[in-house]
Amino acid sequence: AQKITQTQPGMFVQEKEAVTLDCTYDTSDQSYGLFWYKQPSSGEMIFLIYQGSYDEQNATEGRYSLNFQKARKSANLVISASQLGDSAMYFCAMREAFNDYKLSFGAGTTVTVRA
Amino acid sequence: NAGVTQTPKFRVLKTGQSMTLLCAQDMNHEYMYWYRQDPGMGLRLIHYSVGEGTTAKGEVPDGYNVSRLKKQNFLLGLESAAPSQTSVYFCAAGRVGGLAKNIQYFGAGTRLSVL
Repeated sequence: AQKITQTQPGMFVQEKEAVTLDCTYDTSDQSYGLFWYKQPSSGEMIFLIYQGSYDEQNATEGRYSLNFQKARKSANLVISASQLGDSAMYFCAMREAFNDYKLSFGAGTTVTVRA
Repeated sequence: NAGVTQTPKFRVLKTGQSMTLLCAQDMNHEYMYWYRQDPGMGLRLIHYSVGEGTTAKGEVPDGYNVSRLKKQNFLLGLESAAPSQTSVYFCAAGRVGGLAKNIQYFGAGTRLSVL
């Protein structure tokens, strides 16, 4: 079964607007961590933001915030004030406590920011 | 500030040829990983290592072998390359597990084509 589902293969957003990337996950573990990575066209994987399953506050890192809804098992990434440099593929990933060495990745969402 | 370095960056092989991908990290992390990235599938774990001298299978280990003779190096070998192994390969390194914010840091990737 798919552990991480990203249902939006591609999205367009206007510069300076906000965009939300969806991520739902599947786990029976109570302890887990959720990550978002960015992959620009150059190919490297860049860590953006982390949310632990016991964290009460939603994580924020600059223009990135994670909308964590535990009961719905969703961990959506919000990018505020989009910039042209935000055009990239974005991956959601999860690490479960019983599997704590391993990251399970979603298929990714491509974001294109328009001027 | 090298982080995780992969060599080579690109390689073209003929079916049946062998090659070794090298990953080196300067962060003194215990865990190292090899992933492959195929279109529409996110990243899938091939093999991983939880410390010097240890290796273990991930989701898609067939056709690959690994070795971790030194803490800072993790080698991925293809003994007899097949076209199905055409992919982008990523190495990553991370600290010991648990639910802390243990980020996996990625190399720039190796683009491999098997003809």
